[in-house]
Amino acid sequence: EAGVVQSPRYKIIEKKQPVAFWCNPISGHNTLYWYLQNLGQGPELLIRYENEEAVDDSQLPKDRFSAERLKGVDSTLKIQPAELGDSAVYLCASSLGLAGDGDTQYFGPGTRLTVL
Amino acid sequence: AQSVAQPEDQVNVAEGNPLTVKCTYSVSGNPYLFWYVQYPNRGLQFLLKYITGDNLVKGSYGFEAEFNKSQTSFHLKKPSALVSDSALYFCAVRGNQAGTALIFGKGTTLSVSS
Repeated sequence: EAGVVQSPRYKIIEKKQPVAFWCNPISGHNTLYWYLQNLGQGPELLIRYENEEAVDDSQLPKDRFSAERLKGVDSTLKIQPAELGDSAVYLCASSLGLAGDGDTQYFGPGTRLTVL
Repeated sequence: AQSVAQPEDQVNVAEGNPLTVKCTYSVSGNPYLFWYVQYPNRGLQFLLKYITGDNLVKGSYGFEAEFNKSQTSFHLKKPSALVSDSALYFCAVRGNQAGTALIFGKGTTLSVSS
């Protein structure tokens, strides 16, 4: 079974440029998460989707960040314009969304963003 | 509010010795607890979880964790460390509603020397 796929793995951009990250979750996983991981820290949630609906975006900086999951499968996270402080690893995770087994989240390899 | 504390930034162990990586948590209600491992330039890899039942949970690669409700702890353990276990370990907690976000600790770097 394929895991969570993310691309690109690495991205280097100049500040004020736009950037987009793509995520394809594990097949059949209804819940998709985007996390931000700063250096030396644990991941923090940016946004959570149940199918195509964003059910928790309270931590998403909406002035510059946007996300979509149009068909309830893959998702795109965008930053426009990027700032120096956005340099971090952006992790995508997915889960079945069922309470029964603890709803384990499985993570992709992440996209490491460097803003110059 | 939910929170997780990993009191040690780094744990150093000699190969073959037992290892413990500590985690304490704070959550209202019954906790769902998780351990993940992260190797350099890789995403987080699920190791094990506690949902309910037996306080000793066994996971991947010989790791286990002990849930202690009175001490609100969920320490990760392994009887005999390998050099290949060297990585960054994260403890995480969430409430018992499916789909809610994980709250992560800041991570503990495990270094196993040969």
